[in-house]
Amino acid sequence: DQQVKQNSPSLSVQEGRISILNCDYTNSMFDYFLWYKKYPAEGPTFLISISSIKDKNEDGRFTVFLNKSAKHLSLHIVPSQPGDSAVYFCAASSLKMDSSYKLIFGSGTRLLVRP
Amino acid sequence: NAGVTQTPKFQVLKTGQSMTLQCAQDMNHEYMSWYRQDPGMGLRLIHYSVGAGITDQGEVPNGYNVSRSTTEDFPLRLLSAAPSQTSVYFCASREAYEQYFGPGTRLTVT
Repeated sequence: DQQVKQNSPSLSVQEGRISILNCDYTNSMFDYFLWYKKYPAEGPTFLISISSIKDKNEDGRFTVFLNKSAKHLSLHIVPSQPGDSAVYFCAASSLKMDSSYKLIFGSGTRLLVRP
Repeated sequence: NAGVTQTPKFQVLKTGQSMTLQCAQDMNHEYMSWYRQDPGMGLRLIHYSVGAGITDQGEVPNGYNVSRSTTEDFPLRLLSAAPSQTSVYFCASREAYEQYFGPGTRLTVT
């Protein structure tokens, strides 16, 4: 049973518009969430994170929102650029459950930003 | 800093062959891990290590061995390759929550 789910395998948006990538989780013990970005033939790179004590974290064009009651987080990219085209992975962790900070990853969403 | 390096980048094995995927990091991170990425499955943890001499199993450890004799190196051994082990393998090291990934090894088992 997947604890972290990204139900949209792909998303296509026009350059300049907003991209919204969604992630749902089932374990209420998760207390830290991260987004990773992956280009073809490269390893994933860290993008942005949020602690469960916050509901929003912003870094430039990227904002992550956390809704703990719904066990849902989303990544907003505004404005979207063609260079944002990549696979985005959501990941979750719980220091309460596991002191080794293990990350549980979702299956990824492939974002295509059309020029 | 080179970060996390992995060799080889590509490998083709026949069923039953063994091999070692190499991973090294120069960030002095205690925690290292191995993941495999398969279509529609995301990144699944194979084995991890919280320091030299300490390793533990992740979500999908069967068919793989690891050892951690130094802080820098964390090799992954396939004992007897099977077609089900065809995948892209990523090594990572981390400090607290943020993981730094290597470029990956694409392995095909025929």
